[in-house]
Amino acid sequence: KAGVTQTPRYLIKTRGQQVTLSCSPISGHRSVSWYQQTPGQGLQFLFEYFSETQRNKGNFPGRFSGRQFSNSRSEMNVSTLELGDSALYLCASSLEVPASYEQYFGPGTRLTVT
Amino acid sequence: GNSVTQMEGPVTLSEEAFLTINCTYTATGYPSLFWYVQYPGEGLQLLLKATKADDKGSNKGFEATYRKETTSFHLEKGSVQVSDSAVYFCALSDNNNNDMRFGAGTRLTVKP
Repeated sequence: KAGVTQTPRYLIKTRGQQVTLSCSPISGHRSVSWYQQTPGQGLQFLFEYFSETQRNKGNFPGRFSGRQFSNSRSEMNVSTLELGDSALYLCASSLEVPASYEQYFGPGTRLTVT
Repeated sequence: GNSVTQMEGPVTLSEEAFLTINCTYTATGYPSLFWYVQYPGEGLQLLLKATKADDKGSNKGFEATYRKETTSFHLEKGSVQVSDSAVYFCALSDNNNNDMRFGAGTRLTVKP
């Protein structure tokens, strides 16, 4: 079974631009979560989608948004990029099995904002 | 709210040394507990998990026991290898929803 895939793997943008990142979960997984990882702040939760609905949201500004499609693929968008948005963005999918919410992570998208 | 605290690194050990990475948690109810590992340039991989008190998760020589009385889930390995060099994350998941919280991560370097 294929793992979680994320595209693109690397991205360079300039301040003020916007960016869209894509995540394809493991087949059969309907929950997709997004995280931002930086050396200073560690792993921070952005949001989680389940069945095309945002179910949980972290403490990030409205410039960060996401969506999920009917095939469970998810995208996240960051508008008006800032230098501080440079990070590794990780996507994780999980199976909705009570008491077993382990998440399976993709390799991440490395975003550099210049 | 739920949270995880793990020992700060970095941790540097010689090959075949004993490893302990401490992890404690704060949670309401009975969460599931996890250890994830991140190798350079990669995403996180699930290393082991425990879903109820006194459960022991184990994988690749690593072990951790879910201790409710001390709210801990310490990671141990009897003999580390150079290939174990990575960042290790302790995490918990609320069993009522998919709300996973991660610790800050502990970087382990194993020298030959």
